Amino acid sequence: DAKTTQPNSMESNEEEPVHLPCNHSTISGTDYIHWYRQLPSQGPEYVIHGLTSNVNNRMASLAIAEDRKSSTLILHRATLRDAAVYYCISYGNKLVFGAGTILRVKS
Amino acid sequence: EAQVTQNPRYLITVTGKKLTVTCSQNMNHEYMSWYRQDPGLGLRQIYYSMNVEVTDKGDVPEGYKVSRKEKRNFPLILESPSPNQTSLYFCASFSPSGGTEAFFGQGTRLTVV
Repeated sequence: DAKTTQPNSMESNEEEPVHLPCNHSTISGTDYIHWYRQLPSQGPEYVIHGLTSNVNNRMASLAIAEDRKSSTLILHRATLRDAAVYYCISYGNKLVFGAGTILRVKS
Repeated sequence: EAQVTQNPRYLITVTGKKLTVTCSQNMNHEYMSWYRQDPGLGLRQIYYSMNVEVTDKGDVPEGYKVSRKEKRNFPLILESPSPNQTSLYFCASFSPSGGTEAFFGQGTRLTVV
């Protein structure tokens, strides 16, 4: 799994969009980009994944750079329930987690 | 319903008493993995398995054993637990291609006294 780099923490206001960045400059051509989030004392929860094209689902959108060296998770309207640690993973065959980004949402 | 089931959810044990944490998945995934999570250290991979009878060490394998005799099960074995193995443990199952989501168990909170 290629190494990923994310900011340690970010803060957002409730009801506003949040853009969580991730760098994965050593990603291989066949590695998917996955995002998971984790609430305290709970198992990681799948958010979204993609390979080359931008992806949307009911939870979020994933924007992947054309060179695939970075991606951005977009939460369109942050709620207090979105406060969590967000992990970006360059998915090889080991599913290795980095430090993630702590997202704080202010009401 | 797709799920990964870990048991037990909570366990308090004494130093040196062998224990096993079970993990079972119902998605026919080839890959399974164990993690431990400690405050400030994130999710660290202990062992992973690519298929039946195929396992490999992760980043923190010392003091742990695993086995993969059936595709659905991937137990984590602590043959002589020590207090530094007090942690929150998660099991995951996923496909090798990465084209589908990974699934995680609810976690096992282990305390070794």
